[in-house]
Amino acid sequence: DIQMTQSPSSLSASVGDRVTITCRASQAMGMYLHWFQQKPGKAPKLLINGASSLQSGVPSRFSGSGIGTDFTLTISSLQPEDFAIYYCQQTYSTPYTFGQGTRLEIK
Amino acid sequence: QVQLQESGPGLVRPGGTLSLTCTVSGGSISSINWWTWVRQPPGKGLEWIGEISHSGKTDYNPSLRSRVNISVDRSKNLFSLEMTSVTAADTAMYYCVKMSSGWTGFDFWGQGTLVTVSS
Repeated sequence: DIQMTQSPSSLSASVGDRVTITCRASQAMGMYLHWFQQKPGKAPKLLINGASSLQSGVPSRFSGSGIGTDFTLTISSLQPEDFAIYYCQQTYSTPYTFGQGTRLEIK
Repeated sequence: QVQLQESGPGLVRPGGTLSLTCTVSGGSISSINWWTWVRQPPGKGLEWIGEISHSGKTDYNPSLRSRVNISVDRSKNLFSLEMTSVTAADTAMYYCVKMSSGWTGFDFWGQGTLVTVSS
C-alpha cells in the first residue's frame, strides 16, 4: 500500500495568510495525487486533481504542485470559508489511500 | 451533472450485514466510470472500501476484502455495498463516490449516510 503522510496535522492561521500543506507518498506515484476539502457534516469536495489541476469553480487562490513523492497544496490568501480539514489522496494504485488530514483553524 | 444518493439502514447489529445502495442520477451507471465506496469513522479520516468499474470488475481494500461485496444493478442505475460480520469498528459515515479515471480522482460524492453498529 502507498502510505500518504500530511504535514502539519493542524495549522492555525489568519485571514489573508498564505498557507502550505505538504503530502508525502511512501513511493513514487507520478501525479495521481488529489486534494480535498471537508467541512463539518459535509462530504469531501475535490479541489485539485492530478496534483495541479484546479477543479471548475474552485477559487484560484488554491494551487497544487509536485510530482513523484512530494506534493503541496497552497492557499495564497486565506478566506473565512477556507477553514476546514484538507486531505490528500493517491489513485496511482489500489488500495487508494488518503493522508490523515490537516485541520486548518482560525488563529 | 451526476448526483449520488446513499440509502440503507442506519443501525446494524454486531455480527450482522451492512447493506447500502447508491442511486445514480444525471448519468448512466454503464458509462465509463468507477463506482466507489469510502467510509469515515466519527472524527477520523477517510478509508477507501472498494470499487466496481463500468465493466463490472471489482477491487477491494485488502483490509476489508473478505467481508465486502460491491455490485451493480444496471436496470435501476444503482450500485450497492454489502459488508458482513460487522463490529463497532465499522460504525462510520459511508459515502458513495464516482471516479471518472485515476487522473480525475473522486469527482462526485454522495452526501453520505451514517451507519451505527450497536446492539
